[in-house]
Amino acid sequence: GQSLEQPSEVTAVEGAIVQINCTYQTSGFYGLSWYQQHDGGAPTFLSYNALDGLEETGRFSSFLSRSDSYGYLLLQELQMKDSASYFCAVDGANNLFFGTGTRLTVIP
Amino acid sequence: DGGITQSPKYLFRKEGQNVTLSCEQNLNHDAMYWYRQDPGQGLRLIYYSQIVNDFQKGDIAEGYSVSREKKESFPLTVTSAQKNPTAFYLCASSKGTARSSYEQYFGPGTRLTVT
Repeated sequence: GQSLEQPSEVTAVEGAIVQINCTYQTSGFYGLSWYQQHDGGAPTFLSYNALDGLEETGRFSSFLSRSDSYGYLLLQELQMKDSASYFCAVDGANNLFFGTGTRLTVIP
Repeated sequence: DGGITQSPKYLFRKEGQNVTLSCEQNLNHDAMYWYRQDPGQGLRLIYYSQIVNDFQKGDIAEGYSVSREKKESFPLTVTSAQKNPTAFYLCASSKGTARSSYEQYFGPGTRLTVT
């Protein structure tokens, strides 16, 4: 079977840095994706890690450790518009298996 | 502009009726997916298709059916056999090349309410 664990909620201050962790257990693993979803909206792709290490895309970075079955999404210089749900998803080659999401609230 | 369209945005049906949700994409993607999202939950895969005239069951296919007669279209039918059909349904696509499912493009979703 497959399972992913992420914190259900995180609150952070505007301008700060926040890290959203994701641990996974899966029988087939090719990489870890991250998606952002605003309330009532469609998920949008943020980042992907197939190999260990850090991937940086502007204010967002994502990290993967395959040996620890662990990854995280790092959001820097938080803005109010970053308030949303963030999902990690295991890439099983032909499809994705999503976690239950972390709701990030950015406060002034 | 390329993208994925889903219609309608809101759909209301009586229990016992089948209902078909539309999903169309003009991204020239080979692979398409249907997900279900319940309040406060993640996305659960219903069906996916990697090529025309072929599709596979996802984790929660019971009570649902799909077809893939055209590359651009992947309609989902919610049948009366689905016990809890009220949910937010999301359609997505990806390029379909080897190892491309990690980056999926989503439609705006259809919120289905069955009473």
